[in-house]
Amino acid sequence: DTAVSQTPKYLVTQMGNDKSIKCEQNLGHDTMYWYKQDSKKFLKIMFSYNNKELIINETVPNRFSPKSPDKAHLNLHINSLELGDSAVYFCASSPSNGGKTQYFGPGTRLLVL
Amino acid sequence: SQELEQSPQSLIVQEGKNLTINCTSSKTLYGLYWYKQKYGEGLIFLMMLQKGGEEKSHEKITAKLDEKKQQSSLHITASQPSHAGIYLCGADNANDMRFGAGTRLTVKP
Repeated sequence: DTAVSQTPKYLVTQMGNDKSIKCEQNLGHDTMYWYKQDSKKFLKIMFSYNNKELIINETVPNRFSPKSPDKAHLNLHINSLELGDSAVYFCASSPSNGGKTQYFGPGTRLLVL
Repeated sequence: SQELEQSPQSLIVQEGKNLTINCTSSKTLYGLYWYKQKYGEGLIFLMMLQKGGEEKSHEKITAKLDEKKQQSSLHITASQPSHAGIYLCGADNANDMRFGAGTRLTVKP
């Protein structure tokens, strides 16, 4: 019954590795987002997808690539992980592109060693 | 882009006390959202305010929107340890939402 789910919940990996975080929503929403929350708890948007199309791509390194196989999924793939990538990554969804309440997943804690 | 400033950054109160958290926007507010994040967990939607002067309540938490001041306040009455966490305000910004830096609330029993 989880509305927005993310896997894994925790991810510990070595610098230089490639990893993916998955997000799924069963709310029937059109728009999905990825946010990064840094050590100071500041939440910043990374990507926004509306009906599988990229709407927002904030200034994030090319090593981050979102993939939306369908409207209910938005995965985040990260290449060549760096120490600074350590953070909590939140997925969210909303009924339309902006202006509506966003529902968040539980977050994925990424630690790069 | 819209910037949101929250104050205070952190707050420690004794159980049973009232408290207020403020969120000030650099631009006109068209939709203001309040979320709560428990330590180590995800964000929980509390309420959304859209109209100037609008006030909403959820249990012992009340939020108001002052459109003219481009500000929203979140008030907790008779705080309890369960209120502890990080409170984030978010605002509509064209195609996405922007968030404040958060207010960390600690409630001492």
